[in-house]
Amino acid sequence: GESVGLHLPTLSVQEGDNSIINCAYSNSASDYFIWYKQESGKGPQFIIDIRSNMDKRQGQRVTVLLNKTVKHLSLQIAATQPGDSAVYFCAENAYNQGGKLIFGQGTELSVKP
Amino acid sequence: EADIYQTPRYLVIGTGKKITLECSQTMGHDKMYWYQQDPGMELHLIHYSYGVNSTEKGDLSSESTVSRIRTEHFPLTLESARPSHTSQYLCASGGGVGGDNEQFFGPGTRLTVL
Repeated sequence: GESVGLHLPTLSVQEGDNSIINCAYSNSASDYFIWYKQESGKGPQFIIDIRSNMDKRQGQRVTVLLNKTVKHLSLQIAATQPGDSAVYFCAENAYNQGGKLIFGQGTELSVKP
Repeated sequence: EADIYQTPRYLVIGTGKKITLECSQTMGHDKMYWYQQDPGMELHLIHYSYGVNSTEKGDLSSESTVSRIRTEHFPLTLESARPSHTSQYLCASGGGVGGDNEQFFGPGTRLTVL
């Protein structure tokens, strides 16, 4: 069936470096994508979203890129900080899924001081 | 900060017990969701509701049941807990100003069935 998946289960970066977390999706009907951050023992927290009519969106220290041609989504974190250490999930919302979110596996980001 | 609450945060219980996981939100959202999540894994939707008296099963089969008698309250019940039910259960709500797509999550209930 349709699924959203992440390329790498773990990512380790040095504090101050930029991080890039990738996500592949397979549902061409997906029209909305969200990145969530989940810290240990907590529920997922909304980071940034993007609609399918956009290819880039920027937030505070984060940028989401969407490539619909290859069905690829990425989250870029600038100047990664120890507080960014968490598991990051991408999720897609497609009109043919009744508006429900479908989550990918998750990438664990570890920031080394 | 999202105003969505779950209790208990942690629960250890014996096989065969009946349990209810509570979820409440104060944002007036129509849509509420229950997800099941194993450590480090993706979230699987097990139940959702689009409003009072509306409940639907999600994509992952679950032996749990839910009810939605009030907008703010969406409890999940397991009639007879089993070790296979050990997992983290996350409640979410959405459908507010941000639109249908945005979901706010509670802190989760970590359930262990012995």
